[in-house]
Amino acid sequence: EMQLVESGGGLVQPGGTLRLSCAASGFTFGSYWMSWVRQAPGKGLEWVATIKEDGSEKYYVDSVKGRFTISRDNAKNSLYLQMNSLRAEDTAVYYCVRGGRSWGVWGKGTTVTVSS
Amino acid sequence: DIQMTQSPSSVSASVGDRVTITCRASQGITTWLAWYQQKPGKAPELLIYAVSSLQSGVPSRFSASGSGTDFTLTISSLQPEDFATYYCQQADRFPRTFGQGTNVEIK
Repeated sequence: EMQLVESGGGLVQPGGTLRLSCAASGFTFGSYWMSWVRQAPGKGLEWVATIKEDGSEKYYVDSVKGRFTISRDNAKNSLYLQMNSLRAEDTAVYYCVRGGRSWGVWGKGTTVTVSS
Repeated sequence: DIQMTQSPSSVSASVGDRVTITCRASQGITTWLAWYQQKPGKAPELLIYAVSSLQSGVPSRFSASGSGTDFTLTISSLQPEDFATYYCQQADRFPRTFGQGTNVEIK
């Protein structure tokens, strides 16, 4: 069974840092683009970042450029999102998703709350 | 950026009804248009990819079509498990963008 499991969310103060992880199983992780999508409380879906299979290409939504870094370790079947200089507006459930275009495999999400 | 606008934002319907949701893009899209269903407290699920291709395991009462800037998702006969929020998403270009969502409610 294909599975994505996120971890690393929590409560952090404005300006703080968090590193989200996503453990993939049930498919050949290194053969897929991977992405992060978030959803603020009571709001719609927002794409955050995407990384190519080999990590050579990375794309970000403007609001996180320079603050967030997407990365992957294909040997560990893992995707990461390093989040620096966090803001209140980054508060959301963060989903790890398989693919770079349409997303057929989703994790259950990890909650990030940025608040003092 | 390509802006995606869905209509209606909310629709009340009964079991057995035909429901159509539209999605308009601010610029023309080639083939990379997807539709998702999300139930409260759950991750979204992919229903349709590449404008009209049904994701494996999705019931055939879901269908989609469109081209250019105008796209539609149709539920031919609404079932109790279909009450949810639906999102369109373009994957033609970065940044990937979603519509604001359409909430399908019980009438």
